[in-house]
Amino acid sequence: KAGVTQTPRYLIKTRGQQVTLSCSPISGHRSVSWYQQTPGQGLQFLFEYFSETQRNKGNFPGRFSGRQFSNSRSEMNVSTLELGDSALYLCASRLPLETQYFGPGTRLLVL
Amino acid sequence: AQTVTQSQPEMSVQEAETVTLSCTYDTSESDYYLFWYKQPPSRQMILVIRQEAYKQQNATENRFSVNFQKAAKSFSLKISDSQLGDAAMYFCAYRSMEGSQGNLIFGKGTKLSVKP
Repeated sequence: KAGVTQTPRYLIKTRGQQVTLSCSPISGHRSVSWYQQTPGQGLQFLFEYFSETQRNKGNFPGRFSGRQFSNSRSEMNVSTLELGDSALYLCASRLPLETQYFGPGTRLLVL
Repeated sequence: AQTVTQSQPEMSVQEAETVTLSCTYDTSESDYYLFWYKQPPSRQMILVIRQEAYKQQNATENRFSVNFQKAAKSFSLKISDSQLGDAAMYFCAYRSMEGSQGNLIFGKGTKLSVKP
């Protein structure tokens, strides 16, 4: 089975712009979670989707949003980018009650 | 709220030796999962081992084993016969079994270096 894939792998944006990141889960996995990883804050949970519904949300401002499509692919969007949004964004998928498997991440640099 | 603490920011081990990484957590729940993930320089997060809290037996995966002490809320990872490829950041993580709480709560990580 193919693993979790994320696109793009690298992204450079400027402050004020918006960005959309994509995640395709492992085939058959309907749950997708997003995490932000920074040197200062470590790994922080953004949100989790299951069957197109947001099930859980971390403590991030409303500029961070996401959605999930009927094929379980997920996107996250960050509007009005700030320098502090520079991070590695990780996506993970899982089966119910099972382990989360991570994608390679998208490195976002905000200038 | 649950928290995960890794008190060793960095550790070093000689190739072929054994090293133990520490992790403690805080929770009021009785059922949960604990994980160790490895993140090499490629930044790909790789599952090392998983433990269900209701299982008394410690999980083992080849050279990797855990010492799970539920009462002490401790979950350490032992790596035996360390290899150069084991060099990475290691993250301890907690996940609730309750309701829709499927998110992982991570510790700050331990950077493991392996000396040849």
